[in-house]
Amino acid sequence: EADIYQTPRYLVIGTGKKITLECSQTMGHDKMYWYQQDPGMELHLIHYSYGVNSTEKGDLSSESTVSRIRTEHFPLTLESARPSHTSQYLCASSEPPGSGGVTDTQYFGPGTRLTVL
Amino acid sequence: SQKIEQNSEALNIQEGKTATLTCNYTNYSPAYLQWYRQDPGRGPVFLLLIRENEKEKRKERLKVTFDTTLKQSLFHITASQPADSATYLCALGVSGTASKLTFGTGTRLQVTL
Repeated sequence: EADIYQTPRYLVIGTGKKITLECSQTMGHDKMYWYQQDPGMELHLIHYSYGVNSTEKGDLSSESTVSRIRTEHFPLTLESARPSHTSQYLCASSEPPGSGGVTDTQYFGPGTRLTVL
Repeated sequence: SQKIEQNSEALNIQEGKTATLTCNYTNYSPAYLQWYRQDPGRGPVFLLLIRENEKEKRKERLKVTFDTTLKQSLFHITASQPADSATYLCALGVSGTASKLTFGTGTRLQVTL
């Protein structure tokens, strides 16, 4: 079992509220990621980070923002939630490359199921 | 455009049989390919990685093949068990994409008694 945690696991919230999804890992990984996944659909990368004070937008445009002030912590914030933000949000971190080059095996948290009414 | 395709329909097999899942890709030159297992309501769990210069990898009852000419990976589970029922995702890693993976939609496997 990977040491990566997400809270809350489930969140139901009204339109216009500000929310922060928490993600923490105790493995000391530099690289961390946020994905969005709708039921039966692929994971879409929305943010990633290579280390402290490094954040980049992913392949899928998202209205959310992230911060990386500490290695172990990578929170995601939605300033004003909308029904279109309803989805599952998965956080992951990856271990350093092994011998032979880049591998980037990713360890995932349990996810946060967000519902915006 | 780049695309990763996995069978969208569920694969139903009997316990003890070999399950074979397919991952096809277009317009990618992956440096490596990974397979993950995802159970309902949970995050994916890493299973196996295979690099572009490798043909086959094995781990216990799991086997992965990688054919860069056909642009295809096959994922086999031998002597399948009901506990193997889950969704299996393939993910491609491309050189120079700064450690990012691109995931397929996954194939749901159902193993029955």
